[in-house]
Amino acid sequence: NAGVMQNPRHLVRRRGQEARLRCSPMKGHSHVYWYRQLPEEGLKFMVYLQKENIIDESGMPKERFSAEFPKEGPSILRIQQVVRGDSAAYFCASSPPGFRSTYEQYFGPGTRLTVT
Amino acid sequence: AQRVTQPEKLLSVFKGAPVELKCNYSYSGSPELFWYVQYSRQRLQLLLRHISRESIKGFTADLNKGETSFHLKKPFAQEEDSAMYYCALTAGSSNTGKLIFGQGTTLQVKP
Repeated sequence: NAGVMQNPRHLVRRRGQEARLRCSPMKGHSHVYWYRQLPEEGLKFMVYLQKENIIDESGMPKERFSAEFPKEGPSILRIQQVVRGDSAAYFCASSPPGFRSTYEQYFGPGTRLTVT
Repeated sequence: AQRVTQPEKLLSVFKGAPVELKCNYSYSGSPELFWYVQYSRQRLQLLLRHISRESIKGFTADLNKGETSFHLKKPFAQEEDSAMYYCALTAGSSNTGKLIFGQGTTLQVKP
């Protein structure tokens, strides 16, 4: 099992462009979480998804950000019209189906987004 | 509001010294508490969780509901313990499992 995969590892975008971050959960995992880490801060929850469903998006900015986890393929975090303040490390985590709060979340290596 | 506070940004100790990384939380219900660790150039990984009451790599953490704390302790630090440590909570059975993280503490163990 290769673990949670994220790509790209580094992404540079100019202001106004779109950023697409991909996350492939561990085999057998049906829960995906996205977290953002701004410089000098801890990880902040953004969104929790199951296959084809957004379960909790309470941490997502209201505009420009969206996430999906289709039936086939990786989960995608999409940021439209990026601004400098979007520069951060974005981490994806996955966990197996079951009693959510007690299952360990396995983290990917993160995608470092830089907006120039 | 749910919150996790790690008051120390950096903790520097000598090899063999005791280590205590502080974590305080704010949550009115019954949270589940975790410690995650990130070694240099590695991904974030679970170190231990309060519900399993286990000792991993010599580290232990006791949940103190009265003081709302979950400090991480090790009696004798090793150089390989140098890493970034994050305390985190989830809000129990009614929650979606999302983790609320503290700001993190860098542990530096000097030879």
